Amino acid sequence: EDKVVQSPLSLVVHEGDTVTLNCSYEVTNFRSLLWYKQEKKAPTFLFMLTSSGIEKKSGRLSSILDKKELFSILNITATQTGDSAVYLCAVGGNTGKLIFGQGTTLQVKP
Amino acid sequence: DSGVTQTPKHLITATGQRVTLRCSPRSGDLSVYWYQQSLDQGLQFLIHYYNGEERAKGNILERFSAQQFPDLHSELNLSSLELGDSALYFCASSLGTLNGELFFGEGSRLTVL
Repeated sequence: EDKVVQSPLSLVVHEGDTVTLNCSYEVTNFRSLLWYKQEKKAPTFLFMLTSSGIEKKSGRLSSILDKKELFSILNITATQTGDSAVYLCAVGGNTGKLIFGQGTTLQVKP
Repeated sequence: DSGVTQTPKHLITATGQRVTLRCSPRSGDLSVYWYQQSLDQGLQFLIHYYNGEERAKGNILERFSAQQFPDLHSELNLSSLELGDSALYFCASSLGTLNGELFFGEGSRLTVL
């Protein structure tokens, strides 16, 4: 059965710290891994990594995909209070399912 | 604004009742996904439709059903409701089926009393 596991489940840091969020997966015929940020309501898209794009960067956020070891990390540097949110990892194969992990709750203190 | 519209935003009903949640995908998107998010859980995949056809099913209860209509909007029907069905139900859409970026609606919060 397809599975996505995120760690840690929660994290508290101070502004300016760097954090690393982890996502490991088991999925049939992997196609893509996506990272989302969820604040009060709907998740918002951060990155998509596929076979052809295993490293992405946008501002202070970056993500890499290790297809051999079946995991991804999301790095956030120089954290700000506005980064406080739940970060979700999702993985899709060729079955049409997109399975989400349980999320990592990040709290950034001033 | 993601362009995905869900109605109603909030719904309060009693056990044993039936409700219908509606989703209009972004213009041009052919895929619709439904997810359930309970208090202590992440996003649980329910079902995926592509251009009117069921593409994949998750752990969707038999009391739940969904469909996607020719105009591509989708409905999720929840029947014989139980207290444990109280959750936030998200609809998301994407252009195709190849697990590209999903755009989420704001969700429908269902409370079963």
